[in-house]
Amino acid sequence: QSALTQPASVSGSPGQSITISCTGTNSDIGGYNYVAWYQQHPGKAPKLMIYEVSKRPSGVSNRFSGSKSGNTASLTISGLQAEDEADYYCNSYTTSSTSNYVFGRGTKVTVL
Amino acid sequence: QVQLVQSGAEVKEPGASVRVSCKASGYIFTDFHLHWVRQAPGQGLQWMGRINPNSGGTNSAQRFEGRVTMTRATSISAAYLELSSLTSDDTAVYFCAKPATTGTTIDDAFDIWGQGTMVTVSS
Repeated sequence: QSALTQPASVSGSPGQSITISCTGTNSDIGGYNYVAWYQQHPGKAPKLMIYEVSKRPSGVSNRFSGSKSGNTASLTISGLQAEDEADYYCNSYTTSSTSNYVFGRGTKVTVL
Repeated sequence: QVQLVQSGAEVKEPGASVRVSCKASGYIFTDFHLHWVRQAPGQGLQWMGRINPNSGGTNSAQRFEGRVTMTRATSISAAYLELSSLTSDDTAVYFCAKPATTGTTIDDAFDIWGQGTMVTVSS
């Protein structure tokens, strides 16, 4: 199972909006609404930011939103803040013969 | 509160095995599957497998089949990951993670993570 495809890096200035894409296949993102996004700061465990494509867990800022179109999911961070600088990973359930779940390779978000 | 607490860092020689523990608290251990995810230095997240603490049944990624063993001890709400025939490519932080909901086939996203266990494979 190949990893989901994410851009290596995305940057933006404070207050701006950025969008991270995550492209998969019909066996994962395109076939199921079990897409999640995680934020990871250096040396820390991942933190769930979005689940089931567009739902936010309790306590996560509404500046984070998710969506999906076909085989591509997206995470948008609006009103970018310094604390948003981190690595972001998408994740999906998959019917691949080699795995049940697949992650993207990660996107480094830099706040300029 | 709901939390997962993992065992401490390990250093192993190539060819050895390692066992990582993950102790759950704050929820009914047998109500949710428990997943294992690893992250090599500077790399992304990689799903390894999951265990059903109720039945003991497991699923693992194909690349780890034959080398990974996942078990649990329900009396103490703990899960264990054992990885054998270690090579330097297994040097990574190993996380356990609890899904928000557990289904018959599909588990939802991982809302609770352990703090991670660093495993270093070096001669």
